[in-house]
Amino acid sequence: ETGVTQSPTHLIKTRGQQVTLRCSSQSGHNTVSWYQQALGQGPQFIFQYYREEENGRGNFPPRFSGLQFPNYSSELNVNALELDDSALYLCASSLAGRDEQYFGPGTRLTVT
Amino acid sequence: KQEVTQIPAALSVPEGENLVLNCSFTDSAIYNLQWFRQDPGKGLTSLLLIQSSQREQTSGRLNASLDKSSGRSTLYIAASQPGDSATYLCAVKDDYKLSFGAGTTVTVRA
Repeated sequence: ETGVTQSPTHLIKTRGQQVTLRCSSQSGHNTVSWYQQALGQGPQFIFQYYREEENGRGNFPPRFSGLQFPNYSSELNVNALELDDSALYLCASSLAGRDEQYFGPGTRLTVT
Repeated sequence: KQEVTQIPAALSVPEGENLVLNCSFTDSAIYNLQWFRQDPGKGLTSLLLIQSSQREQTSGRLNASLDKSSGRSTLYIAASQPGDSATYLCAVKDDYKLSFGAGTTVTVRA
């Protein structure tokens, strides 16, 4: 059974640029959730995708957008990067109807 | 809006001592509560999941209790080891998302 994977591991962007982060869900899981974790804080829910549709969204502006593909992998896109977007971005997958979310290793984004 | 609080923010204990980590939440309408471990700069490792209908869950040296009516959970780690040093996060699930506390950073001194 393959776990949740994320790419890239780290990246550095300049304020105003756009970034795409990728997540491959655990085998058999059709639900993907994205979280943002600022330094010293707990993760904050961004949004969730279930069968290619957005299933719920946290308190994040529209410049945070996502996609889920037919193989259930997912992308998080952030436009017009701001310094406060610097964080660890975590992806979690789950099987719809089950409770446990399984997290990937995260992508560390630094905005300068 | 669900608020999750973890106290203390940091804890340092000598090896062999038992650890007690506390988590409180404001809205008792939850599906489950999960405890995670996070090593510096890394992702989250799930330790225990307690369904809303359960009172406790055990795995090896770890035991977690849940009192949904009072909005509290406690994670006990028996006979701590230096390898237990990490940040421990609790999260409650309501509908589709997890709401996290800020974590308790544990240092176990050899």
